[in-house]
Amino acid sequence: RKEVEQDPGPFNVPEGATVAFNCTYSNSASQSFFWYRQDCRKEPKLLMSVYSSGNEDGRFTAQLNRASQYISLLIRDSKLSDSATYLCVVNKNGNQFYFGTGTSLTVIP
Amino acid sequence: DARVTQTPRHKVTEMGQEVTMRCQPILGHNTVFWYRQTMMQGLELLAYFRNRAPLDDSGMPKDRFSAEMPDATLATLKIQPSEPRDSAVYFCASGSGDFNSPLHFGNGTRLTVT
Repeated sequence: RKEVEQDPGPFNVPEGATVAFNCTYSNSASQSFFWYRQDCRKEPKLLMSVYSSGNEDGRFTAQLNRASQYISLLIRDSKLSDSATYLCVVNKNGNQFYFGTGTSLTVIP
Repeated sequence: DARVTQTPRHKVTEMGQEVTMRCQPILGHNTVFWYRQTMMQGLELLAYFRNRAPLDDSGMPKDRFSAEMPDATLATLKIQPSEPRDSAVYFCASGSGDFNSPLHFGNGTRLTVT
């Protein structure tokens, strides 16, 4: 079983739409959680950390459900520039980072 | 703005040649990771170091790949001999080692082996 599983998509949504991605993780000892964004032919870049109480950064909201072992990312009012691959990342003890395979998002004009 | 620096950005080489990729982690970071990414695969962990010591290189083909950290400011990944199936983007990432701190990635080395 993979440490982190994501729906690869693709998600094709119109501008202005709200879209949500989920990610499940298998190890209950996982300690910290992140969402990264990767543009085509570029490196992954940190989008946001995910905190137990949930957190928001502008149009982006991340949530963690430890009981069910999943994290989510909600994007409101999608922009063309949000088109990218979104990677879910789970960390144990600062050394072991587990990456999902990514969810592809295309925002359509 | 601190960043991870990787060289070269692009490398085209012939099968059988040695390839060396270099990474300068963010100053003060004590964990360094090497990942490989192809179109068909996600990020594949090759090796990682903590305080310059290799902690896990189980993802690396041992017969041709080697990873080292000669000092705290330099990590290297070598392939000898290279093969066409090694063609991929190789990313280096560094972290502070704290459990709640994310990884920071370099721009990657795009390797093509013909």
